[in-house]
Amino acid sequence: AIRMTQSPSSFSASTGDRVTITCRASQGISSYLAWYQQKPGKAPKLLIYAASTLQSGVPSRFSGSGSGTDFTLTISCLQSEDFATYYCQQYYSYLALTFGGGTKVEIK
Amino acid sequence: EVQLVETGGGLIQPGGSLRLSCAASGFTVSSNYMSWVRQAPGKGLEWVSVIYSGGSTYYADSVKGRFTISRDNSKNTLYLQMNSLRAEDTAVYYCARSSGYYYNWGQGTLVTVSS
Repeated sequence: AIRMTQSPSSFSASTGDRVTITCRASQGISSYLAWYQQKPGKAPKLLIYAASTLQSGVPSRFSGSGSGTDFTLTISCLQSEDFATYYCQQYYSYLALTFGGGTKVEIK
Repeated sequence: EVQLVETGGGLIQPGGSLRLSCAASGFTVSSNYMSWVRQAPGKGLEWVSVIYSGGSTYYADSVKGRFTISRDNSKNTLYLQMNSLRAEDTAVYYCARSSGYYYNWGQGTLVTVSS
């Protein structure tokens, strides 16, 4: 199975900061990558698919980039509602979909 | 409006069986890829199973041979039959509409496997 590694696993940031989360695949996955946001006690929410396509309704401060094995999720200006855990997910290997371990963004 | 509502979770002893349901509204289950994804307490997300619109089904190695995904088109409902449950199956189980990535999620139902 394709292994997805996120970094960092957690960090603290302040409102207004620009933050970047990294996701690395153990083998090339082209652009078959999605990003999700999850808040405590809630289901994940799709933010980005195809590595850089913003899901409808998601604020434009979220952006994604990358292809192959290295990907990033960037939040250009962190808002209070953005403190959450973020997951990447590959769907290149359709019969063995895998997620990264998650990155928790906490308030500094 | 698209809605997914999971039911059927609860406390079950190891070795027991449970069937989860996911009632969908706002779209047709049989025309979509539908998945189950789980999350153990305090842990990350794990894909469990998928059923394609054509009816093909696939499973994670961790549940293969024990879990069965199915759907009832007349009820527009997705199911997950879970047999031979183990402690490590304890998790919140989400149903999701997918296209590789998951763009609609239910609220989840908690399954606790414990004696």
